Amino acid sequence: AQSVTQPDIHITVSEGASLELRCNYSYGATPYLFWYVQSPGQGLQLLLKYFSGDTLVQGIKGFEAEFKRSQSSFNLRKPSVHWSDAAEYFCAVGKAGNMLTFGGGTRLMVKP
Amino acid sequence: EPEVTQTPSHQVTQMGQEVILHCVPISNHLYFYWYRQILGQKVEFLVSFYNNEISEKSEIFDDQFSVERPDGSNFTLKIRSTKLEDSAMYFCASSQGVAEAFFGQGTRLTVV
Repeated sequence: AQSVTQPDIHITVSEGASLELRCNYSYGATPYLFWYVQSPGQGLQLLLKYFSGDTLVQGIKGFEAEFKRSQSSFNLRKPSVHWSDAAEYFCAVGKAGNMLTFGGGTRLMVKP
Repeated sequence: EPEVTQTPSHQVTQMGQEVILHCVPISNHLYFYWYRQILGQKVEFLVSFYNNEISEKSEIFDDQFSVERPDGSNFTLKIRSTKLEDSAMYFCASSQGVAEAFFGQGTRLTVV
């Protein structure tokens, strides 16, 4: 069975600081991996995805993520956080056309 | 940019009543999904729908739940007899298959 673990429930960073959100997955085959962001009261917006190929993927809003098969990880990074990045971030694994399994989410707070 | 549209944004219903949640997926997408998120918990898969039939469902999706694509553009989730524990944010999503899923803004269902 597939599963996703986001070890950090809450993270607080200062505006302008770098950010790394951790995601570990368990999946029986080559996974499709996703990061979604949810602002308060909003839906889920796709930040980026990994299907195959280059293990470093670029997304919207200046985010990137790196797929490391040996570590079963797909960590999300941003070099300089903006106050508007405060939200909840969800890592997900699955096969396109099939169900996604989400992690528990990491709530990001940004200090001025 | 095309988007998934869900209505209503908030639904309050009495316990035991039937409720129907509405979704208009992106027009050229082939796969449709319902997920739910109980307050403070992770996003959970309910059901996927392809080629006019359920392709996959979770254990949450019991006989109280049903889905329908009544007219080729709408995709509905029906809960026959709502329980207090059905209170959650319900997300509709759609995908082309070999691609990421796009989520709607969600319908917040409150069962009283």
